[in-house]
Amino acid sequence: DAKTTQPPSMDCAEGRAANLPCNHSTISGNEYVYWYRQIHSQGPQYIIHGLKNNETNEMASLIITEDRKSSTLILPHATLRDTAVYYCIVRSRGGSQGNLIFGKGTKLSVKP
Amino acid sequence: EPEVTQTPSHQVTQMGQEVILRCVPISNHLYFYWYRQILGQKVEFLVSFYNNEISEKSEIFDDQFSVERPDGSNFTLKIRSTKLEDSAMYFCASSLAGEISTDTQYFGPGTRLTVL
Repeated sequence: DAKTTQPPSMDCAEGRAANLPCNHSTISGNEYVYWYRQIHSQGPQYIIHGLKNNETNEMASLIITEDRKSSTLILPHATLRDTAVYYCIVRSRGGSQGNLIFGKGTKLSVKP
Repeated sequence: EPEVTQTPSHQVTQMGQEVILRCVPISNHLYFYWYRQILGQKVEFLVSFYNNEISEKSEIFDDQFSVERPDGSNFTLKIRSTKLEDSAMYFCASSLAGEISTDTQYFGPGTRLTVL
């Protein structure tokens, strides 16, 4: 089972920041937080990942709390094309354990 | 930007028939994966593959499934005798390695398998 808890759905106004929360209270020290999204049954798209420091790339920012028990994915200026299901996934890096365990994610609806 | 490709985009088959789903991973990647997603359900891991052998597989990946890297570019998933419940989207993914900094998985667009 997924080690994360996410709200099932969220709405966001176009042009505003979308803040998607994720709870991972049982995360262990060597586990990373990954975010993927899936737009209407397309293949999951990698967004960002982090261990304990906040991370930013061209798509989003990832804010991880100091105790690492929760995180927030931030899309700074949401567009209609950001409407998708967003998955927060906790996993260990490296070795032969490769599988991603997807939960139900958060369905983000960006509205005009 | 390099991407994972999959063919066909949609495959329709009769129950009991064999199907082969094809994937071309990103060219310098070494780890390959198959996932599936039944309509309206979660994305589920099937199998991971490295160095010409299976690294890990889920309970779903039973004897009806097999994977192969027949040449230097393709990665295939074979279902020997399809069942109705095999109808799903099948996603291929690849990652550069299993090392700390490089094992982000990148997914293909998927093959929709419909078993009649």
